[in-house]
Amino acid sequence: AQRVTQPEKLLSVFKGAPVELKCNYSYSGSPELFWYVQYSRQRLQLLLRHISRESIKGFTADLNKGETSFHLKKPFAQEEDSAMYYCALLNTGGFKTIFGAGTRLFVKA
Amino acid sequence: GAGVSQSPSNKVTEKGKDVELRCDPISGHTALYWYRQSLGQGLEFLIYFQGNSAPDKSGLPSDRFSAERTGGSVSTLTIQRTQQEDSAVYLCASSHFGNQETQYFGPGTRLLVL
Repeated sequence: AQRVTQPEKLLSVFKGAPVELKCNYSYSGSPELFWYVQYSRQRLQLLLRHISRESIKGFTADLNKGETSFHLKKPFAQEEDSAMYYCALLNTGGFKTIFGAGTRLFVKA
Repeated sequence: GAGVSQSPSNKVTEKGKDVELRCDPISGHTALYWYRQSLGQGLEFLIYFQGNSAPDKSGLPSDRFSAERTGGSVSTLTIQRTQQEDSAVYLCASSHFGNQETQYFGPGTRLLVL
């Protein structure tokens, strides 16, 4: 079964500290993985996708097929990073996006 | 340009009543998606439209849920005989066909069934 697991509901770090939001997936094929973010009182929006191998707002995520993980990382957290983060999987050639339950990141001053 | 819009933003209804939720996608986006976000849960995929057709309706929780899309634009999600467990935020998203990885989300409709 296709599944996305985000084990942490809440992650609290101090400003300037490294942050890692964990994501594990279950999928038999080659999925496309994404991170979406929802800031307070804003819409859900795409943060980054693994095929782009890009860094957005200082965040990066590497797809590890061996560990079936797609953890989101940032070396120095900022207060404005506080938001809800969702890991998501899109089946290859498909249209159904499966989301994890989300992790709320709180960056303390 | 204008983003995805949804109406109403909030809806309170009594158990057993029918409700209609509306989604206006971004102009030119042929793909449209409905999701449900229950408290403490992730986004649950409900249905996808390509144009006016819905290739996969398996995500709809029960036969009380239905959706349609007309003119390749506006979509309506209808919940009949609402139950308290239907209370959730219903999100709509749209994208260009073939670019499902970049979905643009609406603000959602918060439904409360009393």
